[in-house]
Amino acid sequence: EAQVTQNPRYLITVTGKKLTVTCSQNMNHEYMSWYRQDPGLGLRQIYYSMNVEVTDKGDVPEGYKVSRKEKRNFPLILESPSPNQTSLYFCASGGVQGRDTGELFFGEGSRLTVL
Amino acid sequence: AQTVTQSQPEMSVQEAETVTLSCTYDTSESDYYLFWYKQPPSRQMILVIRQEAYKQQNATENRFSVNFQKAAKSFSLKISDSQLGDAAMYFCAYSIRSGNTPLVFGKGTRLSVIA
Repeated sequence: EAQVTQNPRYLITVTGKKLTVTCSQNMNHEYMSWYRQDPGLGLRQIYYSMNVEVTDKGDVPEGYKVSRKEKRNFPLILESPSPNQTSLYFCASGGVQGRDTGELFFGEGSRLTVL
Repeated sequence: AQTVTQSQPEMSVQEAETVTLSCTYDTSESDYYLFWYKQPPSRQMILVIRQEAYKQQNATENRFSVNFQKAAKSFSLKISDSQLGDAAMYFCAYSIRSGNTPLVFGKGTRLSVIA
């Protein structure tokens, strides 16, 4: 089954404790991205990756890191989480524009709470 | 920068009736995609319908159809014969056709369906 898998789905942590949210897709997609969803703000892009070893900042990259060492994986790293990073996070993947439908496939979301 | 505006934070509709959700966008591009995503209480992001800007014909998927007005940069979603399962947050989204896939979202419209 084609899917994007995120882990953990729920996490409560404390300020400053490093954490990683993993994301894996099995559709051989070149493009992967992280979004955060906050009430009244919709979904905002954090980072994206066009392919292995290629990453770029989105609209709200501060406080986050990513890496793309393998095509299927795109982890989101919070080196020193703060309460303003409490949010619902989505990983998404898709083909490269011009060769696909433009659609992104989303994971089920990770609810992160930073105390 | 591309922006997507959903002017209706909340809407409600009676079961079996028709409702239209509004979306406008701002872009200088001529070739792009437009999407409507549905987010039910499960939080999963589900693609409802997709429109390619170069196609003048409005996309339709069963009870869901769009009114795409390219000159006006408007992309509304019409839901016919509304069902209780249609209750969700709906996001309008835009991405350019070439280059990367920076899917830009509106802030969402929460749709309630009244039995």
